[in-house]
Amino acid sequence: DTEVTQTPKHLVMGMTNKKSLKCEQHMGHRAMYWYKQKAKKPPELMFVYSYEKLSINESVPSRFSPECPNSSLLNLHLHALQPEDSALYLCASSQGEGLAGRTDTQYFGPGTRLTVL
Amino acid sequence: KQEVTQIPAALSVPEGENLVLNCSFTDSAIYNLQWFRQDPGKGLTSLLLIQSSQREQTSGRLNASLDKSSGRSTLYIAASQPGDSATYLCAVITQGGSEKLVFGKGTKLTVNP
Repeated sequence: DTEVTQTPKHLVMGMTNKKSLKCEQHMGHRAMYWYKQKAKKPPELMFVYSYEKLSINESVPSRFSPECPNSSLLNLHLHALQPEDSALYLCASSQGEGLAGRTDTQYFGPGTRLTVL
Repeated sequence: KQEVTQIPAALSVPEGENLVLNCSFTDSAIYNLQWFRQDPGKGLTSLLLIQSSQREQTSGRLNASLDKSSGRSTLYIAASQPGDSATYLCAVITQGGSEKLVFGKGTKLTVNP
């Protein structure tokens, strides 16, 4: 099973709302990632979790707050977003960090299409 | 800073044709290179991963090559089908940096019946 699942598929929210995106994998992977993808652009890394600890934050604004409750689950909490934050948010996972992790395939979920009004 | 370039940006071919997509990267000190496929509005599907020590990988009608010293990779698709229509992205993980994949902007492929 090489599946990464993401919920919801679509999300529309106002600038004052608080919402969360969820990502789940059951491949035993120890590294999980959040990417943001704008239309007609490649994905851009936001956060990396390794063994449930945040290892990389690509200078993402604090209105995006990641959380890794356990090794299978990754959340992205959203608060006070701006219309320019509208994008496809992709979650990915790979075997793990360290040298092995750097050489592993990253498996992506289908994404959550976020629209901020 | 690693930069990944994909040429062409878009490609339209008739069904059955063999085709090559190109990817180049500026820093040859990479751990690996991955080719992905993305259908409109969907997530990414991993096609092939080439480790830095490898020269090529094959999966079905797909063959990816890597020339690390020159900073180039190609994705060869044999006997193209309309179902191959998608955007193809290549991405690298650079040694000595963070764990992140650096993506090219992709090649949008259309295979016409």
